[in-house]
Amino acid sequence: DQQVKQNSPSLSVQEGRISILNCDYTNSMFDYFLWYKKYPAEGPTFLISISSIKDKNEDGRFTVFLNKSAKHLSLHIVPSQPGDSAVYFCAASARGGAQKLVFGQGTRLTINP
Amino acid sequence: EAQVTQNPRYLITVTGKKLTVTCSQNMNHEYMSWYRQDPGLGLRQIYYSMNVEVTDKGDVPEGYKVSRKEKRNFPLILESPSPNQTSLYFCASSSLAGVESTDTQYFGPGTRLTVL
Repeated sequence: DQQVKQNSPSLSVQEGRISILNCDYTNSMFDYFLWYKKYPAEGPTFLISISSIKDKNEDGRFTVFLNKSAKHLSLHIVPSQPGDSAVYFCAASARGGAQKLVFGQGTRLTINP
Repeated sequence: EAQVTQNPRYLITVTGKKLTVTCSQNMNHEYMSWYRQDPGLGLRQIYYSMNVEVTDKGDVPEGYKVSRKEKRNFPLILESPSPNQTSLYFCASSSLAGVESTDTQYFGPGTRLTVL
């Protein structure tokens, strides 16, 4: 039972354009959501998060949108840069913090020059 | 430098030979966790610990043991490894005093384990 789903295993975007990564969840108890970025041979690193009391959080080129009624969140990267090529994981927690995270399967983003 | 370290980074072993993967963090975090990453499945939690001497099962605990005798260390023990435990393993830590928009888990670099 996959509680957090990233239905696109891969995404290819041209440099300078917008990258949109999607994530769906099924557990209505989730109240804190995070995006992680992972390069090969490294551990995941935190990118951005959002709590369920908000519907948008922005940090530089990265914006996360949360649609609670649809149980859907998305990560927008604008503009996309070659260094953004990585695997992106979304994660959710029902504890209001970053403990007991449930992860999606990941989306491999490739930024083409 | 704040970090989570894991050793070894790579390990090839044979079925049934006990092994331990060490994990250490220098951030004085209360919470520590082990994950395994498999293709198409993302990261799945094996065990976690809320503090010293407090551990609990995650989603895929079968075949694994952990201990938390000190706050900074959280070793993962495979008493009798089997080929289905071939995977990429990550240790992570987090403070329990999280602050909205900054609360996160910090991950180690990973341990690639192959069980023949």
